Amino acid sequence: DAGVTQSPTHLIKTRGQQVTLRCSPKSGHDTVSWYQQALGQGPQFIFQYYEEEERQRGNFPDRFSGHQYPNYSSELNVNALLLGDSALYLCASSGPQGYTEAFFGQGTRLTVV
Amino acid sequence: EDQVTQSPEALRLQEGESSSLNCSYTVSGLRGLFWYRQDPGKGPEFLFTLYSAGEEKEKERLKATLTKKESFLHITAPKPEDSATYLCAVQAGNNAGNMLTFGGGTRLMVKP
Repeated sequence: DAGVTQSPTHLIKTRGQQVTLRCSPKSGHDTVSWYQQALGQGPQFIFQYYEEEERQRGNFPDRFSGHQYPNYSSELNVNALLLGDSALYLCASSGPQGYTEAFFGQGTRLTVV
Repeated sequence: EDQVTQSPEALRLQEGESSSLNCSYTVSGLRGLFWYRQDPGKGPEFLFTLYSAGEEKEKERLKATLTKKESFLHITAPKPEDSATYLCAVQAGNNAGNMLTFGGGTRLMVKP
């Protein structure tokens, strides 16, 4: 079992650019959640996808958007990058229907310069 | 609004020196409380889920307990490889989904 996989592992972008992060959930899981973790802080919930729709959203602006595909994989898109978007972005999968423990991927380290 | 506070922020122990980490929470109808371990630059690794007050779970040198207001992660005779950040998170019962609200974590350093 490959677990939750994220790509890329590291990314450097310039302020104002757009970025797409990808996540493949653990086998048997159908729900994907995204979290942002700033250095030295706990993860903060961005949003959750189930059945290809956004089911729940945290306190993040519309610059943050996502997508879930029929195979349950997911993308996180961030537009108009700000320096403050620099963080570790974590994908977590759970299932069935999201009501089990969440397992996390290794994360994508995004640096905005 | 759900809130989770972890203490202490950092803890230094000698190898073999047992201690406890605290997680205090305020949530509307607790569905579950979760403990994770996170190594630097990596994603959180699942440790335990606790669902109701009085519940306890153990794994090797770790034991998690739950009351109506807080949870403790007890570490017995820690080893240097137990050094990591330990995160606590809650899941509220009134959520349409299953979002987790995390505390800030406790950074544990165990010296040989």
